[in-house]
Amino acid sequence: GAVVSQHPSWVICKSGTSVKIECRSLDFQATTMFWYRQFPKQSLMLMATSNEGSKATYEQGVEKDKFLINHASLTLSTLTVTSAHPEDSSFYICSARKSESGDYFGPGTRLTVT
Amino acid sequence: GQQVMQIPQYQHVQEGEDFTTYCNSSTTLSNIQWYKQRPGGHPVFLIQLVKSGEVKKQKRLTFQFGEAKKNSSLHITATQTTDVGTYFCAGRTSFQKLVFGTGTRLLVSP
Repeated sequence: GAVVSQHPSWVICKSGTSVKIECRSLDFQATTMFWYRQFPKQSLMLMATSNEGSKATYEQGVEKDKFLINHASLTLSTLTVTSAHPEDSSFYICSARKSESGDYFGPGTRLTVT
Repeated sequence: GQQVMQIPQYQHVQEGEDFTTYCNSSTTLSNIQWYKQRPGGHPVFLIQLVKSGEVKKQKRLTFQFGEAKKNSSLHITATQTTDVGTYFCAGRTSFQKLVFGTGTRLLVSP
């Protein structure tokens, strides 16, 4: 199998606070994980590539100081949305790459910033 | 930057009709993957195509990768209500990342 979990599945926070989202590959090791953002009825937009033991690579237009990524082990990557604002409200999805068999996605985290 | 477009954006069919979504990349891809996302769910990996001109079948689903490795298609024969969802292609470039297509939302009426 190839199971990826995310926690929490949904979160509501107040403007100005920080939120941490965890992405875990449960039955395989993933040296590379990816973080996406998806707005309603839109496609997935890659935010950053997370490599175990090294700094994340951010896509153009994504603020690295706002979206902190840590990939501390082969099964865990975290995304911290710092000083969240209402425009950060979105569906955040991670994926973990399992060699050449494809990328396996977590169930997503719905963030609502009030 | 690289773009991956899909057409149509949306299609509504009667159960039993066929359905096709087309995926076009602005650049050559090393491989292409297809995902299905049900409403409220997350993308689920369907298949990966690597070779130029490759055709793969999964029951009623047929996937093709173009000769130039810049386009792909997904064809569903005799749709069922369980086929409802959004189908995304995602192209992998020479770098590690996947670039997702714009998606095609399929609605199937019984």
